[in-house]
Amino acid sequence: KNEVEQSPQNLTAQEGEFITINCSYSVGISALHWLQQHPGGGIVSLFMLSSGKKKHGRLIATINIQEKHSSLHITASHPRDSAVYICAVPLRGGADGLTFGKGTHLIIQP
Amino acid sequence: NAGVTQTPKFQVLKTGQSMTLQCAQDMNHNSMYWYRQDPGMGLRLIYYSASEGTTDKGEVPNGYNVSRLNKREFSLRLESAAPSQTSVYFCASSAFLAPSNSPLHFGNGTRLTVT
Repeated sequence: KNEVEQSPQNLTAQEGEFITINCSYSVGISALHWLQQHPGGGIVSLFMLSSGKKKHGRLIATINIQEKHSSLHITASHPRDSAVYICAVPLRGGADGLTFGKGTHLIIQP
Repeated sequence: NAGVTQTPKFQVLKTGQSMTLQCAQDMNHNSMYWYRQDPGMGLRLIYYSASEGTTDKGEVPNGYNVSRLNKREFSLRLESAAPSQTSVYFCASSAFLAPSNSPLHFGNGTRLTVT
């Protein structure tokens, strides 16, 4: 089973700061997902990536397949970015569903 | 745009009772999933269905059964509820089996308490 580690577990920052959340996994994969869970509990998919970098607005996700590591960056952070950010990778490395990290609880203070 | 619809939103059961959590998606997705989320544990995959007519165990299948009734619907059944099954349950779907290049769409969750 793929083991997923996220860091940090909790992060509090000031509005405007550059945020980095890290995700490492143990078994080689074809793609990785980043998701956001709102304070109300709803979960939305942010990115799927298999190589390089993807950008959507102020969010940037990168992945290094060889090092089994991905990062999620938030530029010019805002209080509305406060949420839990979760990375997910294949359960056993192939196409068999996803296993999730425990999440990074991010709070952006005004 | 309904997306993924889960029912019920809340449920309280006594130990030993049974219940079925319903999930339906209107996006013509092939793959559907059931997850549970517990404090400090993250989301854990219970069962998944890669396509209509198939189901497979995930990380924590014990105590649960599933049915892929048709392409739209994927239900999760607790035959004899136990306090350890107190959790928030999420249904999700994707066009193709994750981790394919298709996003996951989640329902709003069902908060289940077993006393």
